[in-house]
Amino acid sequence: GAVVSQHPSRVICKSGTSVKIECRSLDFQATTMFWYRQFPKQSLMLMATSNEGSKATYEQGVEKDKFLINHASLTLSTLTVTSAHPEDSSFYICSARDPSPPLTIYFGEGSWLTVV
Amino acid sequence: SQKIEQNSEALNIQEGKTATLTCNYTNYSPAYLQWYRQDPGRGPVFLLLIRENEKEKRKERLKVTFDTTLKQSLFHITASQPADSATYLCALTSSGTYKYIFGTGTRLKVLA
Repeated sequence: GAVVSQHPSRVICKSGTSVKIECRSLDFQATTMFWYRQFPKQSLMLMATSNEGSKATYEQGVEKDKFLINHASLTLSTLTVTSAHPEDSSFYICSARDPSPPLTIYFGEGSWLTVV
Repeated sequence: SQKIEQNSEALNIQEGKTATLTCNYTNYSPAYLQWYRQDPGRGPVFLLLIRENEKEKRKERLKVTFDTTLKQSLFHITASQPADSATYLCALTSSGTYKYIFGTGTRLKVLA
């Protein structure tokens, strides 16, 4: 079964609104989760590293005020796309790192965001 | 800069044959290397992990090799089936950061 659950799988929102995507670790407590964005036929692009109880670490070029990440518990991280625009439409994927060695990364099912 | 290369061109093979996918890296000393399968519109699914001190790892019809001298990992699927058709990603992490870097993936198509 799924180790990491992501919700919603698909969401459509209007330009200017905000949308929240949840990522839950089901089998282990994840102190570290990751958020990625993926364009069609391209590789995963790491957006940010989410650390439980502290601020997320954003990759270069990713706007932290636009992509708000909250990791309030050891099993839940959320990504909020604020003031969404059509160019934010993409496939967003989260992953969680198993804290036990060898620190395997497990991915969520992904969320398709369409901004109209 | 750190770089991971996977054959960007699709690999087409006949059902029943062994598929071999390549992952090469430069400017990196990975502690772990992982292989994932990704189907269109879905998140990657973990397949196998191999450590830097391991030469080979097997799981059912899957085999991964890791050559730190050549800076290369090979991913084999034996007795391939059309259901194995997907994109396969390799990912590496070093012991220092534990941040994974992903290759662009190789699309495999197994022909019936």
